[in-house]
Amino acid sequence: AQTVTQSQPEMSVQEAETVTLSCTYDTSESDYYLFWYKQPPSRQMILVIRQEAYKQQNATENRFSVNFQKAAKSFSLKISDSQLGDAAMYFCAYRSAYNAGNMLTFGGGTRLMVKP
Amino acid sequence: NAGVTQTPKFQVLKTGQSMTLQCAQDMNHNSMYWYRQDPGMGLRLIYYSASEGTTDKGEVPNGYNVSRLNKREFSLRLESAAPSQTSVYFCASSGGDRGYQPQHFGDGTRLSIL
Repeated sequence: AQTVTQSQPEMSVQEAETVTLSCTYDTSESDYYLFWYKQPPSRQMILVIRQEAYKQQNATENRFSVNFQKAAKSFSLKISDSQLGDAAMYFCAYRSAYNAGNMLTFGGGTRLMVKP
Repeated sequence: NAGVTQTPKFQVLKTGQSMTLQCAQDMNHNSMYWYRQDPGMGLRLIYYSASEGTTDKGEVPNGYNVSRLNKREFSLRLESAAPSQTSVYFCASSGGDRGYQPQHFGDGTRLSIL
């Protein structure tokens, strides 16, 4: 079974600065997908960014980018120009490409605080 | 654009009571999921339905049952609620077939069992 580990329970960043959230995963599979979800206090789960394991190019969505290191099984999220609205829980998630159910395995989450 | 709709949003039960959480999606997705989120933790999969007419256990299925009523609806039932089932429950759906498609989540149901 796959496991996802987020080693930083909490992170803090000054508004307008850059922060990186860490995620590592354990798998023996070669084809999979990785996701970052944001959960603000409203409790919604919002997709931030996603990455296919076979794509070497790191995904980017506006101020959000990832550093995907397949050999190291690492998938970190970089938030540039942090805004107060970025304050939330962030979850890293893994999905196997071989399982018809397409289930997600989540990490334990990182709480991001943004200081004005 | 409703997406994934869960009812109710909040519920308080007494130990031993039963309850069904409802979930419906309007995106014509094949796959649907039920997760629970305990304080300070990530989401854990309870049950999923890869397609209409099929259901399978996830990581934490004990104490729960599910029904995929049709393509749109996927319900979660607690037959005899226990305090350990106090949690926030999320329903999700996904349209991809082993694909890149993300899961879309409902707003969650906060369930407290006394």
